[in-house]
Amino acid sequence: GDSVTQMEGPVTLSEEAFLTINCTYTATGYPSLFWYVQYPGEGLQLLLKATKADDKGSNKGFEATYRKETTSFHLEKGSVQVSDSAVYFCALSSGAGSYQLTFGKGTKLSVIP
Amino acid sequence: NAGVTQTPKFQVLKTGQSMTLQCAQDMNHEYMSWYRQDPGMGLRLIHYSVGAGITDQGEVPNGYNVSRSTTEDFPLRLLSAAPSQTSVYFCASSYSGGVSRDTQYFGPGTRLTVL
Repeated sequence: GDSVTQMEGPVTLSEEAFLTINCTYTATGYPSLFWYVQYPGEGLQLLLKATKADDKGSNKGFEATYRKETTSFHLEKGSVQVSDSAVYFCALSSGAGSYQLTFGKGTKLSVIP
Repeated sequence: NAGVTQTPKFQVLKTGQSMTLQCAQDMNHEYMSWYRQDPGMGLRLIHYSVGAGITDQGEVPNGYNVSRSTTEDFPLRLLSAAPSQTSVYFCASSYSGGVSRDTQYFGPGTRLTVL
C-alpha cells in the first residue's frame, strides 16, 4: 500500500538557518504530494502541493519539488523564522479517484532566536 | 466562511461511555473524513464520506461509527469508549471534483481522553 516516510524530529534550528525536511514515498500510479503544517494547538493547514512529476510547490518561502525518479518531495526554506516553529507533515493522495491522504509521522521544527 | 468546525474542543470520558464528536463545514464540500492523531503515528484515517448517505471505512475504523445525513455534517460516534481511543481527532473536507479534490481543509481538532 501507499506509505510516506519523513525524517524523524525534532529539528532545532537558529533563526535564518536553512531548512530541509526529507520526505520519500511509495505509491502506485501518479500520486499528488502535499506538505501540511500544524502550529501549536491548531489543526493542519495545507502549506504546498504538487500534482505531477517535476512540479514545484511553493508558499511562504517554503518549496518542494516532486521528484518521481527518487520518489521524493523534500521541503526546503532558505531562512527560517521563529514563527515557522510547528510540526510539518508530508502526505500523498494516490489519485485515480481517491480522496484519501496518507501521512508521514510528522517532523517537529523549533526555531530559536 | 467558518470553514470546518469541530465540537467539543476537549473531552474526558470513562471507559464504556459513549459520545459523539461533531464536525460541520460550510464550504459545500462533498468529501469529509475523520482522522486520529497519535504521537509518533502521524494521522490515520478512521472513516470518510463522499457525499450525503455514503460512508466508508478508512485505516482504523474499529470502535467508531459515522453517518452522513447532510452535506454539512459528519459526526463521529464512539459507542463504548476505550483507553486506546485517547487521541486527538481531526475532521477534514474537500471538493469532490477537479484538481482541488485532494486538497483537504482541517478542523481545529478534538482532544479526547478516555480514563
